Amino acid sequence: SQTIHQWPATLVQPVGSPLSLECTVEGTSNPNLYWYRQAAGRGLQLLFYSIGIDQISSEVPQNLSASRPQDRQFILSSKKLLLSDSGFYLCAWSVGLAGARETQYFGPGTRLLVL
Amino acid sequence: DQQVKQNSPSLSVQEGRISILNCDYTNSMFDYFLWYKKYPAEGPTFLISISSIKDKNEDGRFTVFLNKSAKHLSLHIVPSQPGDSAVYFCAANSGAGSYQLTFGKGTKLSVIP
Repeated sequence: SQTIHQWPATLVQPVGSPLSLECTVEGTSNPNLYWYRQAAGRGLQLLFYSIGIDQISSEVPQNLSASRPQDRQFILSSKKLLLSDSGFYLCAWSVGLAGARETQYFGPGTRLLVL
Repeated sequence: DQQVKQNSPSLSVQEGRISILNCDYTNSMFDYFLWYKKYPAEGPTFLISISSIKDKNEDGRFTVFLNKSAKHLSLHIVPSQPGDSAVYFCAANSGAGSYQLTFGKGTKLSVIP
């Protein structure tokens, strides 16, 4: 069966520091991968998605970037964190083609607090 | 502009009764709809989905109804249990060429024992 891992679970970082959040998926090949953010009191906002290695699309302009160094690994990064980057970051995966009906499965999330 | 709306931020229901969570959408291109359940500090868990070619899908205690003409869907939980207390998100996908799920802001369900 498929499993998705995220780490760290919780992170407290000072403003201006770098960020690296990691997500890995097991039990499937060539998944579509996603990074979402849930800010306090708000819904889930899609940040990035990737349909293959080195194929990454950004949904919103921001202070963050994403990379996919391996088929089942997705990394969210920042060079300099802002206070507004605080939130709950979720990685998700799906298997499908464009036009297929997507069911996405989420990891446990990383709670980021920027001080 | 919010394309998926969950107008009730919270809902309280007595244990054993029916919980009805509502969701409205504005984008007529959406043709696949999902419900997720989320506990605090955890990732959302997929519950149930429905394609636009159907108007009802059932899985155990969970039933989703879709009214395409009204651009409205609802999740029914019968009977409600205390363990159902969580935030429920409605999401939609437009299928053709899109990988993106558009989420509502969620409804917090509290099932009172």
